[in-house]
Amino acid sequence: GPKVLQIPSHQIIDMGQMVTLNCDPVSNHLYFYWYKQILGQQMEFLVNFYNGKVMEKSKLFKDQFSVERPDGSYFTLKIQPTALEDSAVYFCASSLARRDAEQFFGPGTRLTVL
Amino acid sequence: QQQVRQSPQSLTVWEGETAILNCSYENSAFDYFPWYQQFPGEGPALLISILSVSNKKEDGRFTIFFNKREKKLSLHIADSQPGDSATYFCAASAKRGGGADRLTFGKGTQLIIQP
Repeated sequence: GPKVLQIPSHQIIDMGQMVTLNCDPVSNHLYFYWYKQILGQQMEFLVNFYNGKVMEKSKLFKDQFSVERPDGSYFTLKIQPTALEDSAVYFCASSLARRDAEQFFGPGTRLTVL
Repeated sequence: QQQVRQSPQSLTVWEGETAILNCSYENSAFDYFPWYQQFPGEGPALLISILSVSNKKEDGRFTIFFNKREKKLSLHIADSQPGDSATYFCAASAKRGGGADRLTFGKGTQLIIQP
C-alpha cells in the first residue's frame, strides 16, 4: 500500500540546536500532518497543512515549531531552538483532501534532546 | 484531560478467541472514529473506521460496535491470530470547516495473542 517515509529515523541533538524532521508523503496526497508521541503517552496532534498553509495547530505547536513543503518536496517540521521537552517520537501523516480520508502514517522519527 | 480513553491497557487472549478492545470519549462533537493498528518500529495503520451515524461496522474479522448515547465503542477481533498481536489505538475527530481531520488518540491497548 501507499507508504509515508520519514528521515531520519532517530536524531540526537543538544538543547538549543535546530532540528529538521523530514517526511516524504504519499504522492497524490494533499493534506499533511504532524503528531507527537511522548513515551508511554498517546499520540497528540500538532499541525495539519494544505496548499502551502497551516490549517490548524494545537497548543503543542509552539512558536519554535514551523512546517513547510517547498516545491512539493519533503514536508518538514523544524524546531528552533529545541528544548528538553521536545524529546518524543514525531509521526508524519498524509491523506487525500477530504473529510475522514485515511491518514497514512510514517514510521516516526525519534528525537532525543540532550 | 484525556478525551479518548482505552481499556484495557493490555490484553492477552488465546488464538481463536475474540479479543474485545474498549474505547470511550468525552467530546460529543466527535463523529469519526478510526482504529489504528501499530507494530513495533512502524507507524500506525488504519484498520477499520466508523462514522457516528452507524452503530456497527464489519470488515472481515474486525467489527466496531458504537453506542453514541453512552459515548462508547469497542473493537472486536474474531478468531484472533498471533499476527494480530500489536498495539491498537482508538482515535476520534470532529467535523471541522477546514476539512482535514485532527485525530485525538487514546493511549492504546497492547494485544497479545497466545498460540
